[in-house]
Amino acid sequence: AQSVAQPEDQVNVAEGNPLTVKCTYSVSGNPYLFWYVQYPNRGLQFLLKYITGDNLVKGSYGFEAEFNKSQTSFHLKKPSALVSDSALYFCAVRDPKRGYQKVTFGIGTKLQVIP
Amino acid sequence: DVKVTQSSRYLVKRTGEKVFLECVQDMDHENMFWYRQDPGLGLRLIYFSYDVKMKEKGDIPEGYSVSREKKERFSLILESASTNQTSMYLCASSFPIRGFGETQYFGPGTRLLVL
Repeated sequence: AQSVAQPEDQVNVAEGNPLTVKCTYSVSGNPYLFWYVQYPNRGLQFLLKYITGDNLVKGSYGFEAEFNKSQTSFHLKKPSALVSDSALYFCAVRDPKRGYQKVTFGIGTKLQVIP
Repeated sequence: DVKVTQSSRYLVKRTGEKVFLECVQDMDHENMFWYRQDPGLGLRLIYFSYDVKMKEKGDIPEGYSVSREKKERFSLILESASTNQTSMYLCASSFPIRGFGETQYFGPGTRLLVL
């Protein structure tokens, strides 16, 4: 079975400060890992993904995430938060060994950037 | 840009009604998905289709069925709507590039209220 945990329901950060949104996963073998963002009343938008290779992945809007196999984590980071980053963030995992292309999503973390 | 459209943004139905949610994608993607999104539960997969007329049950298929008669269109059907099916429904599509991770592209969502 595959699963993903987002331990924080909400993260508050001041504009201009660095932000981190946490994600841990459980999957047998090497995972595919994803981050998506959802703005109010919108569908999810892809931010970045880790498949293989460099553990630091860079994505859209200045976001990056670090894959840490020993800690089974894939935390989302940004050096300087913007008010416009306020949204709901979802981490997701897929086991590539499964023929069925099912992705498991976390419950989401609400990011609030305070001006 | 990939575009995934959903037939309605908001829908109000009565208990027992048959409800059709339509999803269309314009990128010739093989895979299409239906999720429901509920606060505190994240996204849960209802059904998945990997080709025309092909479907797989997700985590919560009970009370739902799907239809994929054309590659670009994936319909979710609530045979007899119930109040516990009040939710946000999200459609997504992806192109199965083996070994590169399959980014999912989401529609804007349909917020369904069952009275």
